Amino acid sequence: EVHLVESGGELVQPGGSVRLSCAASGFTFSASWMSWIRQVPGKGLEWVAHVKEDGSVKRYLESVEGRFTISRDNAKTSLYLQMNRVRVEDTGFYYCARDKPGGSYDAWGQGTLVTVSS
Amino acid sequence: IVMTQSPDSLAVSLGERVTIHCKSSLTVLKASNNMNYLAWYQQKAGQPPKLLIYWSSTRESGVPDRFSGSGSGTDFTLTISSLQAEDVAVYYCQQYYYIPINFGQGTRLEIK
Repeated sequence: EVHLVESGGELVQPGGSVRLSCAASGFTFSASWMSWIRQVPGKGLEWVAHVKEDGSVKRYLESVEGRFTISRDNAKTSLYLQMNRVRVEDTGFYYCARDKPGGSYDAWGQGTLVTVSS
Repeated sequence: IVMTQSPDSLAVSLGERVTIHCKSSLTVLKASNNMNYLAWYQQKAGQPPKLLIYWSSTRESGVPDRFSGSGSGTDFTLTISSLQAEDVAVYYCQQYYYIPINFGQGTRLEIK
């Protein structure tokens, strides 16, 4: 069974940093694109970033480009999101998701909450 | 690209048919493979989204056959043929043809 477990969410001050992790199991992690998607509680879904199977291709939402970095460690079957210079509008649940070939998401974690507030 | 769903919310009686629409501002049909890069998700309260439909009309494994997707190009529809109590949720469409990948604003479905 596919299992994705996020961690690392916390309360952080504007301008601060936080690193999210996603532990994957139950599938061949190194054969899947992976993504981060966020959601403000009670609001809609927003794609944040994705990374190719081998880490060679990374793409970002324009508003996080240059501040966030997506990475992966295939040996540890883990996905990461380093969030720097965070803003209040970065607040939300961050979900780790597995990409089906093409780009839809067939597996999601339960999410980890990042709150940016002073 | 903007994804617009309609309606924003609806209340339907058990057993009745449900139709949710999604319109994209640009076509998501890729001519080279004739595939529509459009998916539908269901999100129940307190849970992550669940994939229902991908490639606009392919049902994900394990999804009940009362759920179906249709449409092409810029106009798409999610249909629930006979509403069940467990279908109460917010439904999202998503395009995955362009970067940034994006979602519709969601349609909240309730029981009348």
